[in-house]
Amino acid sequence: AQSVTQLDSHVSVSEGTPVLLRCNYSSSYSPSLFWYVQHPNKGLQLLLKYTSAATLVKGINGFEAEFKKSETSFHLTKPSAHMSDAAEYFCVVPGGGGGNKLTFGTGTQLKVEL
Amino acid sequence: KAGVTQTPRYLIKTRGQQVTLSCSPISGHRSVSWYQQTPGQGLQFLFEYFSETQRNKGNFPGRFSGRQFSNSRSEMNVSTLELGDSALYLCASSLADGFSPLIYGYTFGSGTRLTVV
Repeated sequence: AQSVTQLDSHVSVSEGTPVLLRCNYSSSYSPSLFWYVQHPNKGLQLLLKYTSAATLVKGINGFEAEFKKSETSFHLTKPSAHMSDAAEYFCVVPGGGGGNKLTFGTGTQLKVEL
Repeated sequence: KAGVTQTPRYLIKTRGQQVTLSCSPISGHRSVSWYQQTPGQGLQFLFEYFSETQRNKGNFPGRFSGRQFSNSRSEMNVSTLELGDSALYLCASSLADGFSPLIYGYTFGSGTRLTVV
């Protein structure tokens, strides 16, 4: 079964510094992977997706992620954090039981301080 | 272009009651999925509908049910509510045809926050 593990439940950065949110996946083959963001009291917004094309995926709001098969990782990065980036981020893998079900990681709460 | 619309946004119910939540997908999307989000269990898949048929179901008791109408709008129902059913219920729709929505992705609504007292 496919699954994802988000290595940090909370990450705190200063505004203007880089962001790194870590995600490892478990799959018997190269999966598709997504990153979603959830702002307080809001639904989930797709940041970016990897579907076995380029291993470096660029998303919205300056985020990007690199698929590394050798490390089974799909970490999310951003060069310079902004206050508006404060939210919860989810690494997601489709499948994990059949059909088009999404399996979510446990989430990483990103805090951005002045 | 309208997004995924979930109604109501907030709901308070008493234990033992039943509740119906509604989801209107993006126009043209025929796949609708439901997820439950709680602080303890995170985001968990409930079920998915495509063209009025349930294609996939998560590991939830039979008190949780759903349906999809011919216009792709979907409802989910929870009967005999328990305190543990308090959660944010999210609906997602996809343009995907068949079992491969990966190319198209999923668009989520803002959710319905259900509180059971």
